Amino acid sequence: NAGVTQTPKFQVLKTGQSMTLQCAQDMNHNSMYWYRQDPGMGLRLIYYSASEGTTDKGEVPNGYNVSRLNKREFSLRLESAAPSQTSVYFCASSVFRGGASTDTQYFGPGTRLTVL
Amino acid sequence: DAKTTQPNSMESNEEEPVHLPCNHSTISGTDYIHWYRQLPSQGPEYVIHGLTSNVNNRMASLAIAEDRKSSTLILHRATLRDAAVYYCILRDGGGATNKLIFGTGTLLAVQP
Repeated sequence: NAGVTQTPKFQVLKTGQSMTLQCAQDMNHNSMYWYRQDPGMGLRLIYYSASEGTTDKGEVPNGYNVSRLNKREFSLRLESAAPSQTSVYFCASSVFRGGASTDTQYFGPGTRLTVL
Repeated sequence: DAKTTQPNSMESNEEEPVHLPCNHSTISGTDYIHWYRQLPSQGPEYVIHGLTSNVNNRMASLAIAEDRKSSTLILHRATLRDAAVYYCILRDGGGATNKLIFGTGTLLAVQP
C-alpha cells in the first residue's frame, strides 16, 4: 500500500516549456487535489476533483490544467511554464462522500519544480 | 471559510509537553477544527480534529475552549521528530467540498 505517489520528485524547466506532474493513489479514494507551496508559505489549492469525471478550480488555477484520468490518477499540466510557477507541488486524496467534517486528506511527498 | 491565527514559531525541549494555540474567533457552529503537520521536506499529515469536546488520539490531544473561539493542540512529550509546521484549519461540517485552506502555521522547534 503505497498511499499517494507523485512523479517526478524533482524537475527543472526553462520558461515556456510544458510538463505534466503525475499523481496516483491506491486507497480507492474518491477525491483528489493539487496544491502548491511557495517558500515560507502554507499550501494553496490549485485544482481538485471531488469524484471521477469532475474537476474544479481552487484558489490559484491560472496557468494550470488538470485531468482526472481514472479514479486512481490525477495529473497536473503546465502548458507554458513561468518562473512564478517555481514551487513544491503536492497531490492529496481523500475518501470524501459528502460532508467535510471528518474527512482526512492524505498527501504525497511532493514534486520540487524550478522554472528558469 | 473562517480564518485561524497561530503564532509563527514556538520552541520546546525534548520530552516536555507542548501547547500550540490557535485562535478562530469567527468560527461557525458547523466548523470542525482540524490540525495537520508538515515535517521537513514532506507533505502534510493529519494530526487530529474536533468539534466541541476535547479529543485524544495516539499523536496528540486537542483542547477546545467552551466558546470555541480558540483551541490548543497538545503534544504530551515532544520528541525531535515532532519538529514541524503545525496547521490549524477550520472545516465546514456541512460543506459540499473538501477543500483545506492552509495558513502559514506554527513552526515548532524541539531542542534536545
